[in-house]
Amino acid sequence: AQTVTQSQPEMSVQEAETVTLSCTYDTSESDYYLFWYKQPPSRQMILVIRQEAYKQQNATENRFSVNFQKAAKSFSLKISDSQLGDAAMYFCAYRGLNYGQNFVFGPGTRLSVLP
Amino acid sequence: ETGVTQSPTHLIKTRGQQVTLRCSSQSGHNTVSWYQQALGQGPQFIFQYYREEENGRGNFPPRFSGLQFPNYSSELNVNALELDDSALYLCASSWGLQRDTGELFFGEGSRLTVL
Repeated sequence: AQTVTQSQPEMSVQEAETVTLSCTYDTSESDYYLFWYKQPPSRQMILVIRQEAYKQQNATENRFSVNFQKAAKSFSLKISDSQLGDAAMYFCAYRGLNYGQNFVFGPGTRLSVLP
Repeated sequence: ETGVTQSPTHLIKTRGQQVTLRCSSQSGHNTVSWYQQALGQGPQFIFQYYREEENGRGNFPPRFSGLQFPNYSSELNVNALELDDSALYLCASSWGLQRDTGELFFGEGSRLTVL
């Protein structure tokens, strides 16, 4: 069974600075999806960024980028120029490539942004 | 495009009671999955429905059951409620096989408190 680990329960960053959230996972599959989802307080979970494992190029979405190390089974999220609105719970998630497979989420990292 | 909507947003039950949670999937999606998110934890997969059939189930007892209707909306039913069932229940929908991007689209959740 797949597992996802986030070793940082809480992180903080100064506004406009850069922060990196860590995620490791375990799987025996060769192709899969990895995701970072953001869950603001009392609001719905939204997708931040997605990575297909067969793509070697790291995904980027504006201020958000990932460092995907397939051999090390590591998938970290870098947030540049942090903004107050980035404060939220961040979940790393894994999904197998076959249609219909469920997501496996990590325990989350609570990010605080300090003004 | 209408997003995923869930009802009720909050409810309180007592141990032993039964509860039904409802979810309307995002327009165009035919797959619905349910997740349980205990306080301070990541979401845990309960089950998934595709075209009215259950096509995946997590490690939850049979007192957790569900339905998907022809319009792809869904219900989650929990019988014989226990204190540990207190959690945020998230519904998520996704595209059908022809457009599988791997991504889940979440509702805001139903927060269940069992006393």
